[in-house]
Amino acid sequence: EPEVTQTPSHQVTQMGQEVILRCVPISNHLYFYWYRQILGQKVEFLVSFYNNEISEKSEIFDDQFSVERPDGSNFTLKIRSTKLEDSAMYFCASSPPAGDRSYEQYFGPGTRLTVT
Amino acid sequence: AQSVTQLGSHVSVSEGALVLLRCNYSSSVPPYLFWYVQYPNQGLQLLLKYTSAATLVKGINGFEAEFKKSETSFHLTKPSAHMSDAAEYFCAVSDEAQAGTALIFGKGTTLSVSS
Repeated sequence: EPEVTQTPSHQVTQMGQEVILRCVPISNHLYFYWYRQILGQKVEFLVSFYNNEISEKSEIFDDQFSVERPDGSNFTLKIRSTKLEDSAMYFCASSPPAGDRSYEQYFGPGTRLTVT
Repeated sequence: AQSVTQLGSHVSVSEGALVLLRCNYSSSVPPYLFWYVQYPNQGLQLLLKYTSAATLVKGINGFEAEFKKSETSFHLTKPSAHMSDAAEYFCAVSDEAQAGTALIFGKGTTLSVSS
């Protein structure tokens, strides 16, 4: 069964450094998402992306964050200058094309980002 | 704005016992509701969904949930717990059942199953 994959599984970085988290969505999916979960807190929506544009973003997704689909398979989340409070598990998700199941989001295993 | 409350961050049951994980939602429009499960070191897997059709929804692995508008609840149940059900369970709400819409999650409930 196709799966969303994410790399790396764990990223450690120093405060102020740029990080890029990578995701490979399921191949025929058209909508892509990033969520994060700070330890002990809720899973929070960051951004959704469709047709090479952001379709929705949360208040968390400020100018420090950006997303990109650099090629036909990868979807990336960039944090320009990491802060301690960016430490979290970051989940990528994707949705099938329009139809009965287009509202179903399929999640990857997550990247644990630790900012020191 | 939508929100989800999961009562009980940790639920422990014996193998074979009833599983009941509670979820209450707040939404200004008819909600679309989801339960996800996360096994250790894996992503969130969709268990079941409610999208304004039947109020009793059946999902994978023997789980089901009932949408009760009067109680603003969407509790997850399974008649008989299995050791393999031990995982973290998340309830989520969306105000639109369409692609691109954010899911709003609860804090999750960790289910432990003892033999």
